[in-house]
Formats: sequence, structure tokens, C-alpha cells
Amino acid sequence: DAGVIQSPRHEVTEMGQEVTLRCKPISGHNSLFWYRQTMMRGLELLIYFNNNVPIDDSGMPEDRFSAKMPNASFSTLKIQPSEPRDSAVYFCASSLGDNLRNTEAFFGQGTRLTVV
Amino acid sequence: GDSVTQMEGPVTLSEEAFLTINCTYTATGYPSLFWYVQYPGEGLQLLLKATKADDKGSNKGFEATYRKETTSFHLEKGSVQVSDSAVYFCALNSGGSNYKLTFGKGTLLTVNP
Repeated sequence: DAGVIQSPRHEVTEMGQEVTLRCKPISGHNSLFWYRQTMMRGLELLIYFNNNVPIDDSGMPEDRFSAKMPNASFSTLKIQPSEPRDSAVYFCASSLGDNLRNTEAFFGQGTRLTVV
Repeated sequence: GDSVTQMEGPVTLSEEAFLTINCTYTATGYPSLFWYVQYPGEGLQLLLKATKADDKGSNKGFEATYRKETTSFHLEKGSVQVSDSAVYFCALNSGGSNYKLTFGKGTLLTVNP
């Protein structure tokens, strides 16, 4: 398997523009996570899907952020409108099952977002 | 709430040196503890884990022991290699939300030949 695939790897956009990040989880995995990594706050869980259903979106910072998982093989994280403080590395991860004590989360390579 | 504190880097070592990266935690209940590694240009990978007190996780020559009395999970390796250069993250899962990992901020390790 190719692992978790994220696109694009790098994104530079102007403030106010819409940004869409994409993720293809490992085939067969039923849990999907979006994390954000910044120098100040480290890695933070934004949202968690299980069987394509959002279970916990308490980490989504504000209404400008939205995430969808229309099917088991694709998820998007959208920021509209984007702001400079959204600049970060965004990671997608997937796992088989939802108990990370017993299973492993596999991470993609991340999307480095820069909002100017 | 849950939190993980790990030593700030960067850490620079010569090949074959001994490595320790300190990690302490605060959590409710009895968490599981993890070390993840991020090699340049790649995503995070699980390096090792321990699910209960006094357990030792080990992989690729790295070890960490779950110390409940000191709330610590320090990462050690007896002889590092250039290929170990990466960012290392300590993390925990407290069980209240089985799917949630709380990460430390990461420690950059550079190993010079």
C-alpha cells in the first residue's frame, strides 16, 4: 500500500482565498484524523472521522475550517477564507479501528500551508 | 487536561553516542504512551509504545520505560547512527477518548558522522 496520501505537499495562497487540502487514507482503514502542526502549539487534533462520519470536531479552530469525508477513500479539509495565522503543516492520518492503544495511526507526509 | 512535555532541542550528537530524550506527562487515568519519529520529508511513524506501568517499549535499538511514579517515558538509544536524525515526538492516549493522541512539541535530533 502507498500509505496515506496527501495533496498538495505545499500550498502558498493569499489571505482571503479558499484552500482545500486532500487526503486519501490507507485502503481498509475506517478511522481518519486531521492534525495541525505549528511551532507554538505543536500537533493538535482538528477532527476525527469514523466510518466516514465526523465523531469529534472539537479541535476545529473556527467556522472558517470545515472537513468532509464523502467516502471511505477521500477526505478534504477546507479553509475559507484563509488567514496568515492558518500557516502550518496539516497532517492526515488513518487507522484500522478507533482505539489507538491497540492499533496504529499512519500519517501522511503533510501539507505545508503558507498564507501571505 | 492531558499534556506532554519533552526536552527542547535541537539535540546534536556524534555517531555512536548515547541518546536520551526526556518526556514527562500529565494525564487522567492510566494513559498509553508512545514515541513517534518523523524523518525529513516524511510523515510521523510509530516508533514504540507502552500501555501500562513498568512496560518497556523497544524498536530499532530505541527503548522507553513507562514510569508511573515519575510520570515519565524517556527515550534512549545506546549508540545512535546518522540515519537516526529526525524529529521525535512523545505522545499519550488517556483512554477517555481512545482515538485521541496528545503530542509533545517534538525534539529535533541531528547525528553527525
